[in-house]
Amino acid sequence: QQQVKQSPQSLIVQKGGISIINCAYENTAFDYFPWYQQFPGKGPALLIAIRPDVSEKKEGRFTISFNKSAKQFSLHIMDSQPGDSATYFCAASTGQAGTALIFGKGTTLSVSS
Amino acid sequence: DVKVTQSSRYLVKRTGEKVFLECVQDMDHENMFWYRQDPGLGLRLIYFSYDVKMKEKGDIPEGYSVSREKKERFSLILESASTNQTSMYLCASRGTGRPNTIYFGEGSWLTVV
Repeated sequence: QQQVKQSPQSLIVQKGGISIINCAYENTAFDYFPWYQQFPGKGPALLIAIRPDVSEKKEGRFTISFNKSAKQFSLHIMDSQPGDSATYFCAASTGQAGTALIFGKGTTLSVSS
Repeated sequence: DVKVTQSSRYLVKRTGEKVFLECVQDMDHENMFWYRQDPGLGLRLIYFSYDVKMKEKGDIPEGYSVSREKKERFSLILESASTNQTSMYLCASRGTGRPNTIYFGEGSWLTVV
């Protein structure tokens, strides 16, 4: 019940296309859903995050869509660029003190020019 | 600016050696974490600490221990390194309250030969 399942494992998108990465969870106590972006040789960095009281959050070309009833959330990257090529991790956590983020297994995105 | 510093970026150790990975954060965060990252397996939580001298096991604590004597410093210890502990190790920290943003260091690449 603590797992976060992420798909696909890898993704190749043409420049200018839309990249979509999906995640699903079971624990209904989760109330914070961030996405992290990691470039080679670097640690992951927060990209965008959402709470379950909204169904969508947009920051520039990056959008999180959240479906509470289906227990799914997804990251959409519009107008994908070669600079977006990275590994993306979804994650989830509860608001309880002393708990950790649970991460998905990651999606390696390659944007071809 | 937020800073999580992992003192060793690249290490090569021999089987059976005791290994210390050090992590320091400058944000006065209560929570600190050690994750291990392997291809296809994502980020797996080894240990975390929500206060000085406090520690909690994560998903894969076997073969590891941790130490948190000061709030800003969280050490990961491999008591007797083995080749299956060759991996990238990521330290992270997070404050209490919202948002639950977790900040990562750059990672420590450990090779055990």
